[in-house]
Amino acid sequence: QVQLVQSGAEVKKPGASVKVSCKASGYTFTGYYIHWVRQAPGQGLEWMGWINPNSGGTNYAQKFQGWVTMTRDTSISTAYMELSRLRPDDTAFYYCARGPLVVVVAALGAFDIWGQGTMVTVSS
Amino acid sequence: DIVMTQSPDSLAVSLGERATINCKSSQSVLYSSNNKNYLAWYQQKPGQPPKLLIYWASTRESGVPDRFSGSGSGTDFTLTITSLQAEDVAVYYCQQYYSTPYSFGQGTKLEIK
Repeated sequence: QVQLVQSGAEVKKPGASVKVSCKASGYTFTGYYIHWVRQAPGQGLEWMGWINPNSGGTNYAQKFQGWVTMTRDTSISTAYMELSRLRPDDTAFYYCARGPLVVVVAALGAFDIWGQGTMVTVSS
Repeated sequence: DIVMTQSPDSLAVSLGERATINCKSSQSVLYSSNNKNYLAWYQQKPGQPPKLLIYWASTRESGVPDRFSGSGSGTDFTLTITSLQAEDVAVYYCQQYYSTPYSFGQGTKLEIK
């Protein structure tokens, strides 16, 4: 079936970086945008950006520009989100989610499939 | 940036009754060129990722029970759950995908009265 499976929980110290993976299966990975969304404990959802797995093109929320990097490896149908210079308030669940077909301009579509989430804890 | 505001923040409804959640965007999310509202609704149960319920403001995702419906246009939207079931206890979020940064409402927690 169509699914996104994310890497396991991470514990990092302030100032470190974390790289979360999101492996797609059951559909053509390069055919759909992948978004990244985070959710701090007990809080709401915050969109971080998207990657076009076909072209590698990205669009980051202004808040995250300069410290998030989204990449992909099409040979293994996997998207990655790396966040650098971690702070304690980056502690959150990080989700990948499938967006619309890459032919849709600017990824303007709802998120129909979500990964299970990766908990990232930042603590000294 | 478009700000999404939901009301109420929490809601308690009796089993079998109707639940209504409202969502207001700070600017219109209706594209005049295709007459579509770039608005989605998600359901999130404890310990789970969000699940898409409604897109284009009123189109139900495949497999979603027909007791869930979405309505509205422009800046004002509503998610209605008719005949509330115990499994509908969750937090519900609206989201605009009209322009980046895509933004979500703060969430509405739905409980059983």
